[in-house]
Amino acid sequence: EDQVTQSPEALRLQEGESSSLNCSYTVSGLRGLFWYRQDPGKGPEFLFTLYSAGEEKEKERLKATLTKKESFLHITAPKPEDSATYLCAVQDATTQGGSEKLVFGKGTKLTVNP
Amino acid sequence: ETGVTQTPRHLVMGMTNKKSLKCEQHLGHNAMYWYKQSAKKPLELMFVYSLEERVENNSVPSRFSPECPNSSHLFLHLHTLQPEDSALYLCASSRAEGTDTQYFGPGTRLTVL
Repeated sequence: EDQVTQSPEALRLQEGESSSLNCSYTVSGLRGLFWYRQDPGKGPEFLFTLYSAGEEKEKERLKATLTKKESFLHITAPKPEDSATYLCAVQDATTQGGSEKLVFGKGTKLTVNP
Repeated sequence: ETGVTQTPRHLVMGMTNKKSLKCEQHLGHNAMYWYKQSAKKPLELMFVYSLEERVENNSVPSRFSPECPNSSHLFLHLHTLQPEDSALYLCASSRAEGTDTQYFGPGTRLTVL
């Protein structure tokens, strides 16, 4: 069974204090790993897709990396507006039937204080 | 982001009521999804439609009934719900081609009294 574990559950940072969020996964064959950002009371907002170990993607202060067992979301010099819950999800390459099933982790709630 | 819209945004209903949630996507996608998000739990996939055909039903109770009349619209019909069904219900869509990104709507916050 596919599993996704995110750590820590919650993280408090001071503005400008860089850190990383972790997403560990177990999947038969990885088709893709997705990072989303979710603000309170809103739907998840797509950030990145990673397909293979060694791949990296960047967007503003965020950088996502992927290994065979985990992914990291690095946040460099965060600002208060980066405060949100960050969700990780995996898609299994062995899924039958053509459905695009995503398995999500519980998320990491990030708070950046000014 | 207005690619996927959901109505209503908030819904309060009694256990004997019947209501429907609506989702519309303006992205030209062919697959649509319903997810349930409860506090302290990961997003749970409920239903998947690809080209208007249901391809997956994750053992969801029959009090939830989906309908996909065309590739742009998705409904979730609700009847005789339980208080534990209170949650954020999210709709998403994707192109349904290989590894494809799912784009989410803002969700409907459902409270069952």
